[in-house]
Amino acid sequence: KAGVTQTPRYLIKTRGQQVTLSCSPISGHRSVSWYQQTPGQGLQFLFEYFSETQRNKGNFPGRFSGRQFSNSRSEMNVSTLELGDSALYLCASSVTARTRTDTQYFGPGTRLTVL
Amino acid sequence: TQLLKQSPQFLSIQEGENLTVYCNSSSVFSSLQWYRQEPGEGPVLLVTVVTGGEVKKLKRLTFQFGDARKDSSLHITAAQPGDTGLYLCAANFGNEKLTFGTGTRLTIIP
Repeated sequence: KAGVTQTPRYLIKTRGQQVTLSCSPISGHRSVSWYQQTPGQGLQFLFEYFSETQRNKGNFPGRFSGRQFSNSRSEMNVSTLELGDSALYLCASSVTARTRTDTQYFGPGTRLTVL
Repeated sequence: TQLLKQSPQFLSIQEGENLTVYCNSSSVFSSLQWYRQEPGEGPVLLVTVVTGGEVKKLKRLTFQFGDARKDSSLHITAAQPGDTGLYLCAANFGNEKLTFGTGTRLTIIP
């Protein structure tokens, strides 16, 4: 079974631009979660989608948004990029995202650098 | 705001030695997971513990969930270079969101 795939793997943007990242979950998984990982703040939860609905959201500004398609693939968008948005963006898929009992499988991440 | 603090932040030991890393919170969590992350990859789940006082073993790794459900530890016996990586604990505080710890970066020197 193929794992979680994220595209692109690396991205360089300048301040003020916007960016869209893509995540394809494991086949059969309906939940996709997004995380931001930085050296200073660690791994922080952005949002989670299940069956095309945002079910949970972290404490990030409205510049961060996402969506999920009917085939469970997900995209996240960051508008008006700031230098502090430079990070590794990880997506994770699971069958239900009931984190107490379900296993999340992470993709390799997209490394975003904002200049 | 629930915070998970891991200690130590960095650990560098010789191959064959034993080590323990800790994960602590001021709030009770309903479950706790441990992950290992290697450079260029996403975190990989090692174990999930859900019962206070629970102990789980995975080969040379022993995971313990504190009785009060506010802390957990990971003990590695006879560390090997393949154990090198970033170890992350992640807790569920009852809201179905995973809160990750600050991480312990482990280096095993051959």
